[in-house]
Amino acid sequence: AQKVTQAQTEISVVEKEDVTLDCVYETRDTTYYLFWYKQPPSGELVFLIRRNSFDEQNEISGRYSWNFQKSTSSFNFTITASQVVDSAVYFCALRLIQGAQKLVFGQGTRLTINP
Amino acid sequence: AAGVIQSPRHLIKEKRETATLKCYPIPRHDTVYWYQQGPGQDPQFLISFYEKMQSDKGSIPDRFSAQQFSDYHSELNMSSLELGDSALYFCASSPLGRGGETQYFGPGTRLLVL
Repeated sequence: AQKVTQAQTEISVVEKEDVTLDCVYETRDTTYYLFWYKQPPSGELVFLIRRNSFDEQNEISGRYSWNFQKSTSSFNFTITASQVVDSAVYFCALRLIQGAQKLVFGQGTRLTINP
Repeated sequence: AAGVIQSPRHLIKEKRETATLKCYPIPRHDTVYWYQQGPGQDPQFLISFYEKMQSDKGSIPDRFSAQQFSDYHSELNMSSLELGDSALYFCASSPLGRGGETQYFGPGTRLLVL
């Protein structure tokens, strides 16, 4: 079975600070996808990024960056120069490439950016 | 770009009533997934369909059923509603024919059972 753990339940920072959201996963499969989704107060789930298990390249998109390390089974998400609009619950998720297609989510991290 | 459409957006029901939630996937997406998110919890997978056939099943109660129609839209039917069914129900879609890697979520239907 797959498991995703986001140990940080809540994080609160002041605007313009950098913040990293941690994600650790467990799976016996060697091929899988990892995702980050954002859930703002309005409630929808917004796709942010997908990584394949065989591609450990880190990725940067504007103020967002992701650090994927298979050796530690981690897929961490960093927001640089945070803004109030970044306030949301962020979910890390895993899906197998072969077999079950369901997303297995972590418990989520509630990020609050204070002005 | 077109997104996943869910209706209704909000629904209030009494205990033991029935409810039907509808989902219209992104055009040319042939796979639909249903998830349930309780208050303060992460989304939990219920069921999925590919080409009108059930493709995967999660923790969906026997009181719930779902199907996918020829136009790829899907409906989640919920009977004998219980207070614990109050939750946000998401539908997601993906283009399985092109690998289907990413599931795109609709805005959700917020169900309140009184």
